[in-house]
Amino acid sequence: AQSVTQLGSHVSVSEGALVLLRCNYSSSVPPYLFWYVQYPNQGLQLLLKYTSAATLVKGINGFEAEFKKSETSFHLTKPSAHMSDAAEYFCAVITNNAGNMLTFGGGTRLMVKP
Amino acid sequence: ETGVTQSPTHLIKTRGQQVTLRCSSQSGHNTVSWYQQALGQGPQFIFQYYREEENGRGNFPPRFSGLQFPNYSSELNVNALELDDSALYLCASSRGQDTYEQYFGPGTRLTVT
Repeated sequence: AQSVTQLGSHVSVSEGALVLLRCNYSSSVPPYLFWYVQYPNQGLQLLLKYTSAATLVKGINGFEAEFKKSETSFHLTKPSAHMSDAAEYFCAVITNNAGNMLTFGGGTRLMVKP
Repeated sequence: ETGVTQSPTHLIKTRGQQVTLRCSSQSGHNTVSWYQQALGQGPQFIFQYYREEENGRGNFPPRFSGLQFPNYSSELNVNALELDDSALYLCASSRGQDTYEQYFGPGTRLTVT
């Protein structure tokens, strides 16, 4: 079975500050990991993905994430927050024994203060 | 390249009614997955279709059913609607069974009263 836990349902940062959104996964086999962003009243947009290549993954809009097997984590970071980063962020996992079923975390709402 | 599209955008139904939601996959994609996202929660997998066959199902009752057509577009049907079926329904397409990257449509917001 696979699962994802996102620590912190709400995160608030000041514009220009570091963004850190936490994601821990549980999987009995090597996982593929994803971060998606969802703006209000919209679908999900893929930010970045880990598929067993480089452990540090760079995505769109200046975001990156590091896969740490020993910590079963895949935290999302961005050095400097922008007002346009305010959105809901979802971490998700797929394993090759679960077909193409994405299992999502509960989401983290990022708020950016001016 | 056309992205994933869904229709309708919004829908209001009464408890006990039936509803059909539609999804057109991204060009070149032959796999469609459906997810239900309740308010304030992460999406939950309903089922997936690959080349017109169901290819996996989540923990949803049989009144949730689907179809995939030869052009790889898809329908999600829900019978005997319940209040808890109110949610955003997301469709995602991908290129093949072994491709893990899924592209999502904008969703259909279903409200059951």
